[in-house]
Amino acid sequence: EAQVTQNPRYLITVTGKKLTVTCSQNMNHEYMSWYRQDPGLGLRQIYYSMNVEVTDKGDVPEGYKVSRKEKRNFPLILESPSPNQTSLYFCASRTLEPDTEAFFGQGTRLTVV
Amino acid sequence: EDQVTQSPEALRLQEGESSSLNCSYTVSGLRGLFWYRQDPGKGPEFLFTLYSAGEEKEKERLKATLTKKESFLHITAPKPEDSATYLCAVQASGGSYIPTFGRGTSLIVHP
Repeated sequence: EAQVTQNPRYLITVTGKKLTVTCSQNMNHEYMSWYRQDPGLGLRQIYYSMNVEVTDKGDVPEGYKVSRKEKRNFPLILESPSPNQTSLYFCASRTLEPDTEAFFGQGTRLTVV
Repeated sequence: EDQVTQSPEALRLQEGESSSLNCSYTVSGLRGLFWYRQDPGKGPEFLFTLYSAGEEKEKERLKATLTKKESFLHITAPKPEDSATYLCAVQASGGSYIPTFGRGTSLIVHP
């Protein structure tokens, strides 16, 4: 089954404690991206990657890092989380053609206290 | 700057009461317009891609249409299981790989 898998689904952490949210896809997609979704603001892209070792900033990259060492994995790293990063996060993947649909993970609800 | 505005923000319908959701967009060359469905606590699920004005696509009770300025998602005789948030997104041409999403329309269908 084609899927994008994120872990964990829920995470509560304290300000400043580094964390990583993992994302893995089994569709051999070149393009992967991270979004955050906040009430009233919709989905905003954080970072994206067009292939292994190729990453670029989205609309809201501040406070986040990513890496793409393998084609199937695209972890999101928060080195020093702050309360304003409390949000619902989604990983997505698709082929490299920008007019193809994206497949989204189930989401990670992060709370930073 | 690309912009996507969805209306209404929320819509309540009775089962069987047909209606339409609107997605107005401003983009410097449209590569594709996407509709997604999102259930509470889940990731968006792809519904349709529209590429050019005049195009229409259908899936069960849903029909998406596209003009040069907006797209409509028509819901015919909705059922309670159609309750969800419907998201519209546009992908601009010109090399940008960052799609722009609207804020969504929350649809509730009462039995």
